[in-house]
Amino acid sequence: EADIYQTPRYLVIGTGKKITLECSQTMGHDKMYWYQQDPGMELHLIHYSYGVNSTEKGDLSSESTVSRIRTEHFPLTLESARPSHTSQYLCARPLAGKAYEQYFGPGTRLTVT
Amino acid sequence: DAKTTQPPSMDCAEGRAANLPCNHSTISGNEYVYWYRQIHSQGPQYIIHGLKNNETNEMASLIITEDRKSSTLILPHATLRDTAVYYCIVRPGYTGNQFYFGTGTSLTVIP
Repeated sequence: EADIYQTPRYLVIGTGKKITLECSQTMGHDKMYWYQQDPGMELHLIHYSYGVNSTEKGDLSSESTVSRIRTEHFPLTLESARPSHTSQYLCARPLAGKAYEQYFGPGTRLTVT
Repeated sequence: DAKTTQPPSMDCAEGRAANLPCNHSTISGNEYVYWYRQIHSQGPQYIIHGLKNNETNEMASLIITEDRKSSTLILPHATLRDTAVYYCIVRPGYTGNQFYFGTGTSLTVIP
């Protein structure tokens, strides 16, 4: 099941930089999700996709954007990073053969200085 | 819009059963009860889910009351590696798969 990959695992970057967090999977799943979790806080859905060229915003408003040009990749972009973007970003997909359960990647821990 | 209520924290002695409660008094007929856990700094991990019958797998047991307004996750022999935040989630099984995580219960297994 460990086929959802996120890079980088850790990123420290200065304010104003553009960053892209990568999420990829090899199982060909249509549905993919991005969650954001501030330290010690709740996990919130920020973006999801049901397939190529399909992206939707989640229940937590985010300044990030996503794209889904290929099934395998679901990158998240911050055009101009700010300290308020410091958080952990988790990518997820359905479990194989169990469409209504989710499998999470290892996450990217972002720190904006 | 909290659909579930869980205690914020619990302790359990190593080797004993950990019983984590969850109230979901407004659950509707087509909603399942899911349990996930999140070990520090990692992504959440699926544990178990059920609709109305009790369920058991290699990780845990799920006991759902007859009126489905509450449930209990049971870890039969807790180990130190079970220390984590446990999330109880109710959602329809057929929707677009979004999961809404609350604050969960922080379980600490004590040696």
